[in-house]
Amino acid sequence: DSGVTQTPKHLITATGQRVTLRCSPRSGDLSVYWYQQSLDQGLQFLIQYYNGEERAKGNILERFSAQQFPDLHSELNLSSLELGDSALYFCASSVVGLGGSDPTDTQYFGPGTRLTVL
Amino acid sequence: QQQVKQSPQSLIVQKGGISIINCAYENTAFDYFPWYQQFPGKGPALLIAIRPDVSEKKEGRFTISFNKSAKQFSLHIMDSQPGDSATYFCAASRSSGGYQKVTFGIGTKLQVIP
Repeated sequence: DSGVTQTPKHLITATGQRVTLRCSPRSGDLSVYWYQQSLDQGLQFLIQYYNGEERAKGNILERFSAQQFPDLHSELNLSSLELGDSALYFCASSVVGLGGSDPTDTQYFGPGTRLTVL
Repeated sequence: QQQVKQSPQSLIVQKGGISIINCAYENTAFDYFPWYQQFPGKGPALLIAIRPDVSEKKEGRFTISFNKSAKQFSLHIMDSQPGDSATYFCAASRSSGGYQKVTFGIGTKLQVIP
């Protein structure tokens, strides 16, 4: 158990709908990362938040958005869903302190949310 | 643009054999190279990692070999066991200004047969 929790485990919805995925980081971790995993694309970095602020953006679509709340949990919002959005969505967390970078700052992954768009 | 190329995508090894997974990267700004192991239904978990100023790192049966000049690195699993059957991802990390961006390879599905 990594200490990162994600809800829900499974989500089935229809095209055009909007869903929210939730992530709680490990205790003490300030940074949250979101990834999308599909069979043909592998693990794709979407976005990173640190202590409530957006830190880095990857291949995140405009239809997707995320935020990190004061209690450090994060939500990934996916809207106008398409069939191609069906994938596993992972959240990861790490310490990442301000004032410098630490290449040994390990990312711990949650169990993922499997999204199926019908 | 695939910044980290991983091969093979699938690998079948007999129990007791050596599993070898190779990765290559392009961006010399990467400063940390972790390997993740993922079992079905679970999230990836850090297995072993190496800095670019080190040529080899060994942890138990798992060894990373790193060739900075060739921009290549590989994972060797010695005495492979059926319990090692999982998907393995190499990754390259770039840390800058308080954030860390990790780029993953496509993954290698390893099956160790008895």
